[in-house]
Amino acid sequence: AQSVSQHNHHVILSEAASLELGCNYSYGGTVNLFWYVQYPGQHLQLLLKYFSGDPLVKGIKGFEAEFIKSKFSFNLRKPSVQWSDTAEYFCAVTPAGSARQLTFGSGTQLTVLP
Amino acid sequence: KAGVTQTPRYLIKTRGQQVTLSCSPISGHRSVSWYQQTPGQGLQFLFEYFSETQRNKGNFPGRFSGRQFSNSRSEMNVSTLELGDSALYLCASSPQPGGSETQYFGPGTRLLVL
Repeated sequence: AQSVSQHNHHVILSEAASLELGCNYSYGGTVNLFWYVQYPGQHLQLLLKYFSGDPLVKGIKGFEAEFIKSKFSFNLRKPSVQWSDTAEYFCAVTPAGSARQLTFGSGTQLTVLP
Repeated sequence: KAGVTQTPRYLIKTRGQQVTLSCSPISGHRSVSWYQQTPGQGLQFLFEYFSETQRNKGNFPGRFSGRQFSNSRSEMNVSTLELGDSALYLCASSPQPGGSETQYFGPGTRLLVL
């Protein structure tokens, strides 16, 4: 069975600071990788996803993530955060081509100070 | 297009009772997955339905069950409620299982068991 680790439980940054949230997964085969975001009081929504091809994927709101297969990692980055990025961020994985069983990490709460 | 809708949004039950939650997927989506979100365990997969058939099930006791109707709407049922069943129950839909499909999440049903 697959598992996902998000090492940062709570990150506090000032506006304009750069962001990198770590995500490592454990699975022996090919995977699909996702970052979801949950803004306060809102639905869980997709930030970006990786299925195949270019390991550097770009998502909404200036976020990007890099898939490093050798490190089983899929870290989320943003060069300059805004106060509106305050939210909880979840990394998720599913075996490629399988039924839609997402395995989520424990989440990282990001607080951006104005 | 309307998003994933879940009813009711909030529910209070007592131990031993049973509860039924409903999910209407995005129009045209035929795959519906259910997740449980709690502060302690995070987001955990419950089950997935496609074409009225359960395709995959997470590691939850048999008290948790679900079904899908011919119009792709889905219900989940929890019998003999326990205090630990208090959680946010999320429904997600995608056009079909597997492949390069994105899951879209609803707002959730918050269940409180007293």
